[in-house]
Amino acid sequence: KQEVTQIPAALSVPEGENLVLNCSFTDSAIYNLQWFRQDPGKGLTSLLLIQSSQREQTSGRLNASLDKSSGRSTLYIAASQPGDSATYLCAVNAGGTSYGKLTFGQGTILTVHP
Amino acid sequence: NAGVTQTPKFRILKIGQSMTLQCTQDMNHNYMYWYRQDPGMGLKLIYYSVGAGITDKGEVPNGYNVSRSTTEDFPLRLELAAPSQTSVYFCASTLRYGAANEQFFGPGTRLTVL
Repeated sequence: KQEVTQIPAALSVPEGENLVLNCSFTDSAIYNLQWFRQDPGKGLTSLLLIQSSQREQTSGRLNASLDKSSGRSTLYIAASQPGDSATYLCAVNAGGTSYGKLTFGQGTILTVHP
Repeated sequence: NAGVTQTPKFRILKIGQSMTLQCTQDMNHNYMYWYRQDPGMGLKLIYYSVGAGITDKGEVPNGYNVSRSTTEDFPLRLELAAPSQTSVYFCASTLRYGAANEQFFGPGTRLTVL
């Protein structure tokens, strides 16, 4: 059974810092991995999707990498801003007969203070 | 496009009551999913559908039922509400099953069972 773990559970940084969020998964046979952002009391916004054949994806100040063989993904946020404060979730799509079902980590709560 | 919409946004139920959570998507997506998110946790899959008339159980289906009579709609039914069903419910959809296809989420329904 696929299990997804996110470290750290919470992170507090001053504005302007570069930071890394970690996601690990137990079964490397994945189709893709998605990073989401969730603001308090809101839904999920997709940030980046990395296909299993890709090593990384970039969007603005965000860069996500994927190392399938070691079961790890990282989300790098450059020059953090208070508006980046949110919960960040990673989710893996196992492929095969999973029909696109996602297995989620518990999330990392990020606080960026001015 | 409105994307994925869910109603109601909030609901309080008494133990034993029933209700239907509505989910509609206007992107002509084939695959639809229901997840629940308990406080401080990631999302867990309840049910999913790969097309009209086809549904299957996810990780935590007990106490719920679904139907999919059209491509657009995927309602989730709670028959006898229990306090353990207090959670935030998210509906999601994706166009087709493939490594490049990300899932899009609705804003969620916050349900409290007292």
